[in-house]
Amino acid sequence: LAKTTQPISMDSYEGQEVNITCSHNNIATNDYITWYQQFPSQGPRFIIQGYKTKVTNEVASLFIPADRKSSTLSLPRVSLSDTAVYYCLVGPYSSASKIIFGSGTRLSIRP
Amino acid sequence: AAGVIQSPRHLIKEKRETATLKCYPIPRHDTVYWYQQGPGQDPQFLISFYEKMQSDKGSIPDRFSAQQFSDYHSELNMSSLELGDSALYFCASSLVAGEETQYFGPGTRLLVL
Repeated sequence: LAKTTQPISMDSYEGQEVNITCSHNNIATNDYITWYQQFPSQGPRFIIQGYKTKVTNEVASLFIPADRKSSTLSLPRVSLSDTAVYYCLVGPYSSASKIIFGSGTRLSIRP
Repeated sequence: AAGVIQSPRHLIKEKRETATLKCYPIPRHDTVYWYQQGPGQDPQFLISFYEKMQSDKGSIPDRFSAQQFSDYHSELNMSSLELGDSALYFCASSLVAGEETQYFGPGTRLLVL
């Protein structure tokens, strides 16, 4: 599985847009990029998944450049409830695959 | 919508005791995964089952065993508990044929004294 690198922590304020970038230089042709969110003492929750260009859902947007060596998770107008750890994962698109969690980004939102 | 159910939610055991954690996947899901998350750590994959057969194995101690039953629920059996086994244990489920993402349960918090 491709190794990912993302910031250990980020701070922002309510109402701001937050962008978390993940580097995955060794991404394979058949790899997808998936982001999970985890609140304290809760199970991780799927946020968004993409292969290339841009993907948007009701929670976030995922921007993937043409070379796919990085990706950016964008959270619009964050609130205090967005305080969580965000994990960037790269691997084959298969729900039968185990998830290898790397070190996520601890996002803290302040009032 | 139905979610993954885990029981118990909290469990306190003493060293060298045994523990059994249960996981009830989302209806129709055929795959179950177990993860362990120690304090301040990231979740670590332990083991998974697809159609009642072990499909993958991670860093699961030999003291631990697991199985998936005919109704697709799964149990993680932990013996000779050690202090270091204190952690959150998450179960996730998915439907392979549907190519859906994994859905995680609320976790079981195990404390070994």
